[in-house]
Amino acid sequence: DAGVTQSPTHLIKTRGQQVTLRCSPISGHKSVSWYQQVLGQGPQFIFQYYEKEERGRGNFPDRFSARQFPNYSSELNVNALLLGDSALYLCASSRDGSGANVLTFGAGSRLTVL
Amino acid sequence: AQSVTQLDSQVPVFEEAPVELRCNYSSSVSVYLFWYVQYPNQGLQLLLKYLSGSTLVKSINGFEAEFNKSQTSFHLRKPSVHISDTAEYFCAVSDQGTGGFKTIFGAGTRLFVKA
Repeated sequence: DAGVTQSPTHLIKTRGQQVTLRCSPISGHKSVSWYQQVLGQGPQFIFQYYEKEERGRGNFPDRFSARQFPNYSSELNVNALLLGDSALYLCASSRDGSGANVLTFGAGSRLTVL
Repeated sequence: AQSVTQLDSQVPVFEEAPVELRCNYSSSVSVYLFWYVQYPNQGLQLLLKYLSGSTLVKSINGFEAEFNKSQTSFHLRKPSVHISDTAEYFCAVSDQGTGGFKTIFGAGTRLFVKA
């Protein structure tokens, strides 16, 4: 079975632009979580989606938004990019929305904002 | 709101020596606890987890962690490390916030095993 897949793997944007990152969960997993990992820090929680509904939101500005589709894939959108948005964006899937479930991570999308 | 503190950002240790990576958490409700590992040039993967029951949990590669509720800790230990254990280790906690679960990660501890 394929693992969690994310696209694109790398991208470069300029300040003020918008970006969309995509994630396909493991087959059978219905929950997707998004994290931001800045170099040298731990993953910071952005969103959790389960059954197409937002179930958790971290301390990120409204420029960050996400959605989950009927096939459980997900997109993360970031508007009005800032230099500080440069980071590795990780998607993780889990069987359901329970905190007891193990997160399976993708390889990430590395965003550079110039 | 829950939080996770990993007290050591880097831990250098010689091969075959014991190691302890410290993790403390704060939460107002019951929690689930995890250690994830990120090997060089690889993605994050689960090392071990505590959900309920025995407070001592073990991984297949010799690591163990003990849930201590009174001290709100979940320290990771290994009696004898190998070069291949060189990686970044993240402690994580999840509980039920308003409307759902979220898993919060610590800042990570970089374990560097020297020959």
